[in-house]
Amino acid sequence: DAKTTQPPSMDCAEGRAANLPCNHSTISGNEYVYWYRQIHSQGPQYIIHGLKNNETNEMASLIITEDRKSSTLILPHATLRDTAVYYCIVPPPNQGGKLIFGQGTELSVKP
Amino acid sequence: NAGVTQTPKFRVLKTGQSMTLLCAQDMNHEYMYWYRQDPGMGLRLIHYSVGEGTTAKGEVPDGYNVSRLKKQNFLLGLESAAPSQTSVYFCASSYWQPRKQETQYFGPGTRLLVL
Repeated sequence: DAKTTQPPSMDCAEGRAANLPCNHSTISGNEYVYWYRQIHSQGPQYIIHGLKNNETNEMASLIITEDRKSSTLILPHATLRDTAVYYCIVPPPNQGGKLIFGQGTELSVKP
Repeated sequence: NAGVTQTPKFRVLKTGQSMTLLCAQDMNHEYMYWYRQDPGMGLRLIHYSVGEGTTAKGEVPDGYNVSRLKKQNFLLGLESAAPSQTSVYFCASSYWQPRKQETQYFGPGTRLLVL
């Protein structure tokens, strides 16, 4: 299983872009990168996923490096409501959807 | 459309007591999961189910049992609660297709305190 490494915490000013990095140097060719977030005391929320191309949806953008060993989740205009723990996950394929949550990055958006 | 709901929201048990946590989803999802989250930690998978009548062990299954008698419900049982089972329990569900399995919808959690 590809292991991920994330910084334990980050700060971001409200209205600025939040760039959350993730290293997954042992990722294999058919493994996707998923991002979830967990706002305090709530259940995790799916954000986005990708394989090798950059992805964008209404919540965020995902940039995956060409060698696929790292990725960055971008929240283009962070708000106070984006304060949460962000998890970068590389699930093993065809394993019944098992997600392995690490420690994640605690993002604090400050006014 | 309520999504994933969990009952109860909070419970206090004494060591040795039993209880059942109920998870319900109204999205017609095939897969369902039970996770636990200890303070300051990420979620860990307890058991999961890929369909009605089927269950499988996750990362930390000891001390728990599960049942999936109906597609929309997934029950987590503690036969003899221990203080080490004090945690927040999250249920999740997803479709069965690849990539959709990993796109899971989570419930609000059940906070369990075992004294």
